[in-house]
Amino acid sequence: DTGVSQDPRHKITKRGQNVTFRCDPISEHNRLYWYRQTLGQGPEFLTYFQNEAQLEKSRLLSDRFSAERPKGSFSTLEIQRTEQGDSAMYLCASSWSGGFSPLHFGNGTRLTVT
Amino acid sequence: GESVGLHLPTLSVQEGDNSIINCAYSNSASDYFIWYKQESGKGPQFIIDIRSNMDKRQGQRVTVLLNKTVKHLSLQIAATQPGDSAVYFCAENGVTGGGNKLTFGTGTQLKVEL
Repeated sequence: DTGVSQDPRHKITKRGQNVTFRCDPISEHNRLYWYRQTLGQGPEFLTYFQNEAQLEKSRLLSDRFSAERPKGSFSTLEIQRTEQGDSAMYLCASSWSGGFSPLHFGNGTRLTVT
Repeated sequence: GESVGLHLPTLSVQEGDNSIINCAYSNSASDYFIWYKQESGKGPQFIIDIRSNMDKRQGQRVTVLLNKTVKHLSLQIAATQPGDSAVYFCAENGVTGGGNKLTFGTGTQLKVEL
């Protein structure tokens, strides 16, 4: 399977704990995006990278959230001091940077904060 | 701010009938639009896209229509099948920040009745 891969698929954590998610994009894609989706809603943009550079962050991305893409390939999203409101599906997507290129999504990481 | 909305939260159709899912967008500067299909527990799956210099684009069993005058987008699915049951999202790129950052609506649940 050469699609976008996310790990883990599910994560249950206690409030106050730190969690880290990983995303492996489609190898030919140089852009990588993180989105968050809550039940019954469409995905909301969090941040995106072009190669290793983080080019934009949403105001939804509080100081407790940090994303990295150190070598321009895989990316990690860390949430520190998790809160119950962080419970959501975290989606990763990748795309080409040239022209109008659709985003291709992974199957997400479902986070539950108890 | 910009928003993408859908007219109907749930659409029920008989197997074999054609389905039409509608979407209104508010950012007149958007020049790229995408339809995604999302099945339970999975990430959004790309269906079809259209640029603002086009009015219509066809794929396999799907057609997207774009009316820039009234800022309206629709997805037509021909001969709807049970496997088409899912939530459908339209998304627009806007032009804020570039990078093909997409803004999604809340989705339409398509239910195919046998």
